[in-house]
Amino acid sequence: AQKVTQAQTEISVVEKEDVTLDCVYETRDTTYYLFWYKQPPSGELVFLIRRNSFDEQNEISGRYSWNFQKSTSSFNFTITASQVVDSAVYFCALSNRDSGSARQLTFGSGTQLTVLP
Amino acid sequence: DTGVSQDPRHKITKRGQNVTFRCDPISEHNRLYWYRQTLGQGPEFLTYFQNEAQLEKSRLLSDRFSAERPKGSFSTLEIQRTEQGDSAMYLCASSSVNEQFFGPGTRLTVL
Repeated sequence: AQKVTQAQTEISVVEKEDVTLDCVYETRDTTYYLFWYKQPPSGELVFLIRRNSFDEQNEISGRYSWNFQKSTSSFNFTITASQVVDSAVYFCALSNRDSGSARQLTFGSGTQLTVLP
Repeated sequence: DTGVSQDPRHKITKRGQNVTFRCDPISEHNRLYWYRQTLGQGPEFLTYFQNEAQLEKSRLLSDRFSAERPKGSFSTLEIQRTEQGDSAMYLCASSSVNEQFFGPGTRLTVL
């Protein structure tokens, strides 16, 4: 069975601080995908990133960066110089691969990030 | 707007009534997923279509739930004899290969 754990239920930071959201996953599959989604107060899930299990390169996109470590089954997400607009619930998710494509997502319980002005 | 759309956005019903939700995926996406999200939790997978074929159903999908995607385009999710425990946000997502894009959801309240 697959499982995603986001141990941080809520995090509060002051604007311009850096913040890291933790994600630990469990799967028996040797190939899989990992995702991060953002759910702002409006409620709609917004796709942020997909990472293949065979690609452990870290990725940076603007103020966002992701650290994938297969050895510790972790896929952590860092926001640099946080802004009030970053306030949202962030979900980490896992999917197995079927014929090279992702299947249904297993989500963690989410981390509520609040960035204070 | 070419994103995933869902209708209605909100539904309030009395226990025992039937409800139906609609999802219109991104037009070129052949895969469609339904998820359910309760307060404070991540979405949970319900069912998955590739074109018009329903390929997988979660154990969460009891006999009171049925989903269709008749022509491989829009999909409907019906809940019969609703119970208070069915109150949740019902999310639809579509994908062509890997990334799933979500609609705004239908919030169901069962009184």
